[in-house]
Amino acid sequence: RKEVEQDPGPFNVPEGATVAFNCTYSNSASQSFFWYRQDCRKEPKLLMSVYSSGNEDGRFTAQLNRASQYISLLIRDSKLSDSATYLCVVSSLGGGGNKLTFGTGTQLKVEL
Amino acid sequence: DVKVTQSSRYLVKRTGEKVFLECVQDMDHENMFWYRQDPGLGLRLIYFSYDVKMKEKGDIPEGYSVSREKKERFSLILESASTNQTSMYLCASSLTGAIHEQYFGPGTRLTVT
Repeated sequence: RKEVEQDPGPFNVPEGATVAFNCTYSNSASQSFFWYRQDCRKEPKLLMSVYSSGNEDGRFTAQLNRASQYISLLIRDSKLSDSATYLCVVSSLGGGGNKLTFGTGTQLKVEL
Repeated sequence: DVKVTQSSRYLVKRTGEKVFLECVQDMDHENMFWYRQDPGLGLRLIYFSYDVKMKEKGDIPEGYSVSREKKERFSLILESASTNQTSMYLCASSLTGAIHEQYFGPGTRLTVT
């Protein structure tokens, strides 16, 4: 079983749609959780951290369910510029520092 | 703005060559990381370092070594490049602690022929 699992997609949605991505992780000792965004041929960049209480940043809402080891990302009112790959990322302690484990990503294509 | 730079965007090497990939960060981060990214496999951690001269194996260290002589610089070394090491290599840095994001360099696309 992969440590972090995501549906690879692609999710093809029209502009203005609401889309949700899910992710599960296997290490119950994981400490922190993130969604990163990666544009085609670019490096990953942090989109948002995910907190147990849930958090929102504009059109983006992230939620964490520790009991089910499940993370979600909701994008409302999708824009063309949201087209990218969304990486679910889980942090755990390794050696003297934090170690991130990445999911393989979910590809989103927003269309006119 | 945090900046992570990598020595080359594209590199072509022959099988058996020794390859050095350099990464420099300018934010005084303690932690530095090397990943490779392949289609369908995502980002996989090769090695990381949480302090100068310290290193830890990641998930796929075989065929690689690293060097961290200065805090800002983390080098990935392929002692004898092989075709299965053709990949996108990404360097990242972060502050210490699980809550801190990692900042990535632009990547080096390495092709081994």
